[in-house]
Amino acid sequence: GENVEQHPSTLSVQEGDSAVIKCTYSDSASNYFPWYKQELGKRPQLIIDIRSNVGEKKDQRIAVTLNKTAKHFSLHITETQPEDSAVYFCAASDSWGKFQFGAGTQVVVTP
Amino acid sequence: DGGITQSPKYLFRKEGQNVTLSCEQNLNHDAMYWYRQDPGQGLRLIYYSQIVNDFQKGDIAEGYSVSREKKESFPLTVTSAQKNPTAFYLCASSMGSSGSYNEQFFGPGTRLTVL
Repeated sequence: GENVEQHPSTLSVQEGDSAVIKCTYSDSASNYFPWYKQELGKRPQLIIDIRSNVGEKKDQRIAVTLNKTAKHFSLHITETQPEDSAVYFCAASDSWGKFQFGAGTQVVVTP
Repeated sequence: DGGITQSPKYLFRKEGQNVTLSCEQNLNHDAMYWYRQDPGQGLRLIYYSQIVNDFQKGDIAEGYSVSREKKESFPLTVTSAQKNPTAFYLCASSMGSSGSYNEQFFGPGTRLTVL
């Protein structure tokens, strides 16, 4: 089955700097890769996603890149702000709709 | 997100009891999911269902059971066989169609505590 590994587990950045979170997956059949942000005590919210036929996607300060050959994908947050502080999860899904999540990255943005 | 609800928000259970967590969605989504989240860990898949009257085990199905009698409802029962049920339980749904699964929408979660 699918296995998704996420690094780092914690990430501390200064406000205005960039943050990068990396995930690897094992199942070559995975074709959908969402990223979720979860604030304390709240439900995960989708922030960006990418499909296997696309190499990069950008939405304002957030971007995701996908390397299908290497089976890894990354989240990039530029010009970080205190409100970016949260736990971020990557996930991979196959055509059967089974999602596998990474263990999460606690991002702390310090002013 | 308002289209998927979970109840109750908090649930307390005595050891040896079965409890059922409710999940309802009005998004007309085909697929529904149950995850368990423990502190400092990611979301682990318990069960998922792509269509009414059908469901599949996830990675940690032991001690749990589900049903999918209606498209909009996917209740989860935590049985007494689940050895460590204290956790935050999240339900999700997605539009879902074979070969092209989309964004999952999550409910607000149920925090279950075993006394």
